[in-house]
Amino acid sequence: AQKITQTQPGMFVQEKEAVTLDCTYDTSDQSYGLFWYKQPSSGEMIFLIYQGSYDEQNATEGRYSLNFQKARKSANLVISASQLGDSAMYFCAMRVAYNQGGKLIFGQGTELSVKP
Amino acid sequence: DGGITQSPKYLFRKEGQNVTLSCEQNLNHDAMYWYRQDPGQGLRLIYYSQIVNDFQKGDIAEGYSVSREKKESFPLTVTSAQKNPTAFYLCASRPGTGLSGASYNEQFFGPGTRLTVL
Repeated sequence: AQKITQTQPGMFVQEKEAVTLDCTYDTSDQSYGLFWYKQPSSGEMIFLIYQGSYDEQNATEGRYSLNFQKARKSANLVISASQLGDSAMYFCAMRVAYNQGGKLIFGQGTELSVKP
Repeated sequence: DGGITQSPKYLFRKEGQNVTLSCEQNLNHDAMYWYRQDPGQGLRLIYYSQIVNDFQKGDIAEGYSVSREKKESFPLTVTSAQKNPTAFYLCASRPGTGLSGASYNEQFFGPGTRLTVL
């Protein structure tokens, strides 16, 4: 079964420090995509970063990087130099094969709180 | 500006009533999706459509219906058969075929509709 697991319901980090949010996935597909979204209290889903299953380099987008370890089926999000505005829910998601509609399967989320 | 709009932002429904949530996109995206989010949970797929006049059930389609008569629009009807409809509903779209890379894979989300059953 295809599944995303986020084992950290809540995380705290000091402003300006780095934080790692964990994500493991389960799929038998060879081709898939992994995403991280940020959801502030307003509810909108903000795309942060994407990693394709065939990408050899870890994805980076500004202060966000994705630590992709394919053999371990993990796709952890690293946020460097945390800011107060980073406080939000963070969701890891996996895109299934396009012939299955390309839907996203989401984890339960991690609530990140950044302390001043 | 291109994007996805959802209306209304808040919706209240009495038990036994059908309600329709609107989702419109001007991104010229082929695929559209409806997700449901319960408090403290991730999103779950209700329905999706990859082309006009075609749609498929997702993981939790019971009690919901959709239509895709136009590329830009993918309305969701929550019927009285949905036993626990109070939730946050998010619509998303994806560019479609013919492209590669992150921009193709990315799903763009609307701002969401919060539905409460009274």
